[in-house]
Amino acid sequence: SQQGEEDPQALSIQEGENATMNCSYKTSINNLQWYRQNSGRGLVHLILIRSNEREKHSGRLRVTLDTSKKSSSLLITASRAADTASYFCATSHNTDKLIFGTGTRLQVFP
Amino acid sequence: SQTIHQWPATLVQPVGSPLSLECTVEGTSNPNLYWYRQAAGRGLQLLFYSVGIGQISSEVPQNLSASRPQDRQFILSSKKLLLSDSGFYLCAWAGTSGGGWETQYFGAGTRLSVL
Repeated sequence: SQQGEEDPQALSIQEGENATMNCSYKTSINNLQWYRQNSGRGLVHLILIRSNEREKHSGRLRVTLDTSKKSSSLLITASRAADTASYFCATSHNTDKLIFGTGTRLQVFP
Repeated sequence: SQTIHQWPATLVQPVGSPLSLECTVEGTSNPNLYWYRQAAGRGLQLLFYSVGIGQISSEVPQNLSASRPQDRQFILSSKKLLLSDSGFYLCAWAGTSGGGWETQYFGAGTRLSVL
């Protein structure tokens, strides 16, 4: 079963705006990752945040993790049309397996 | 650098026909290998997981099987396809050569349509 649930399921914004998507999970985790998937393609790893971290940055990406609420958020600042994709969170707990969420479809209009 | 190859990109097969999807990884040794299926507009479901040659863990009961005949080769098979086997199949690897065992790297995927 999928552990992560992303919210919203779909998001449409204009270029230059910020995009925020959220992920909730059910059990304790070692880390949480965010992946991006362009339509009809494989997933690309974006960023990993460990359970003892609260915030992490990578370029225009900012990820937060609240283990007490079992939730994470991904913020993309100054979005571009090229950011249009689906974004998935994935969690792991003491295994080499990942459990993926249902994804957020982001559409950025030029 | 590491690369992952997955083929074919698209496949249309009749119900009851066999299936063989292949995935190979280059530039790393002894990777963990994974097969996922993704239904349209949905997340990824882990089908099989392998930590070494001949070692396969099945995550869900189904009409499919997997094999790992070589260290960097992972094959997804079926003897008789069902309509419900249609979907987007993704292969992935993880290992010390990449971002560590926690980060997975994906192939481009195979879109399978069973008619």
